[in-house]
Amino acid sequence: NAGVTQTPKFQVLKTGQSMTLQCAQDMNHEYMSWYRQDPGMGLRLIHYSVGAGITDQGEVPNGYNVSRSTTEDFPLRLLSAAPSQTSVYFCASSYSIRDTEAFFGQGTRLTVV
Amino acid sequence: SQKIEQNSEALNIQEGKTATLTCNYTNYSPAYLQWYRQDPGRGPVFLLLIRENEKEKRKERLKVTFDTTLKQSLFHITASQPADSATYLCALGDYSSASKIIFGSGTRLSIRP
Repeated sequence: NAGVTQTPKFQVLKTGQSMTLQCAQDMNHEYMSWYRQDPGMGLRLIHYSVGAGITDQGEVPNGYNVSRSTTEDFPLRLLSAAPSQTSVYFCASSYSIRDTEAFFGQGTRLTVV
Repeated sequence: SQKIEQNSEALNIQEGKTATLTCNYTNYSPAYLQWYRQDPGRGPVFLLLIRENEKEKRKERLKVTFDTTLKQSLFHITASQPADSATYLCALGDYSSASKIIFGSGTRLSIRP
C-alpha cells in the first residue's frame, strides 16, 4: 500500500514550457486535490476532483489543467510555465470530500527559470 | 476575506514541557478543523480533526480545543520530545464545498533536549 505517489520529486522548467505532474493513489479514494505551498503561505487549493470524470477549480486554478479519467490518477498540467509557478506542489486524496483526513504525497518541487 | 493565523512562525520549547500552538481565524464559520504535521521535504500528515460541536479532542499526547466564539483552536503536545520538532498546520473546512478548505501557513516547533 503505497498511499499517494507523486512524480517527479524535482523539476526545473524554462518559462513557456509545459509539463505534467503525476499523482496516483491506491486507496480507492474518490476525492483528490492539488495544492501549492509557497514560503509564508498556507497550502492553496489549485484543483480538485470528487470522482472520475469530475473536476473543479480551487482558489488558484489559473495556468493549470487537470483531468480524472480513473479513480487512481489525477495529473496536473502546467500549460505554459511562468516563474510565478515556482513552488512545491502536493497531491492529496481522501475518502470523502468532507471532514476526513487527507493523505498527501511527498511533493514536487518545481522551479521555473 | 477569510484568514487563518497561526500564532508564530517558530516556537522553541524545552523537552518535557507542553507545547501550545494557536490557530485563529476570521471571516469564516468552519464546520471542522484539522491539524497536520509536516516534516522538511515531506507532505503533511494528518493528526487530529475536531468538529464545531466538539470542545476538545485527545490522541495520546496530543490535545486539540476548538472555540467557535473566540474563533480559535489550540493544539497541545504534552511531554514534548525532540522527535516532535516539525511544522504544524491547521486547516479549516465546511460542508458546503471542498474549495473552502483553508490551510494556515504553519508554526515551526523546535523541541530542545
